[in-house]
Amino acid sequence: KAGVTQTPRYLIKTRGQQVTLSCSPISGHRSVSWYQQTPGQGLQFLFEYFSETQRNKGNFPGRFSGRQFSNSRSEMNVSTLELGDSALYLCASSDQDSWRIEQFFGPGTRLTVL
Amino acid sequence: ELKVEQNPLFLSMQEGKNYTIYCNYSTTSDRLYWYRQDPGKSLESLFVLLSNGAVKQEGRLMASLDTKARLSTLHITAAVHDLSATYFCAVGRHPGTASKLTFGTGTRLQVTL
Repeated sequence: KAGVTQTPRYLIKTRGQQVTLSCSPISGHRSVSWYQQTPGQGLQFLFEYFSETQRNKGNFPGRFSGRQFSNSRSEMNVSTLELGDSALYLCASSDQDSWRIEQFFGPGTRLTVL
Repeated sequence: ELKVEQNPLFLSMQEGKNYTIYCNYSTTSDRLYWYRQDPGKSLESLFVLLSNGAVKQEGRLMASLDTKARLSTLHITAAVHDLSATYFCAVGRHPGTASKLTFGTGTRLQVTL
């Protein structure tokens, strides 16, 4: 089975711009979660989508949004970028029918905001 | 608010030595995860612990969970250089789903020759 894929892998933007990141989960997985990793704040949960619905949300401003498509692929969007948005963005997929309920992480998108 | 604390934050150890990383969490949880992250890479799942007293072992790593003490440990036996990485524990709260994991700060492990 192919793993979780994320595109693009690297991105450089300037303050005020917006960005869209994409995540394709493992085939058959319907849950996609997004996390932000920074040296200062560590790993923080952004939101989770399941069957095209946002099911959980972390404590991030409204500039961070996401969506999920019928094929379970997910996108997250950050508008009006700030320097502090520079981070590694990780998505994870899980199989809700799995007893282990394990999350599998993608390689991440490294976003740099200048 | 769920808080997850790991210690130590940094661990330098010689090859062949044993050590334990501790993960404390503040409120009741129904599952605990351990992940490994190499520099510039993503998170690799190591263990999923689902019940009190659960113990899992893979190679030189062994993880355990004490839900009453809200404590998990990751024990490293006879460390080798390949184990150098950052290790995270993460706690899940929502019943039946793996979503919304709260991560610890991470323990950066450096195994020296």
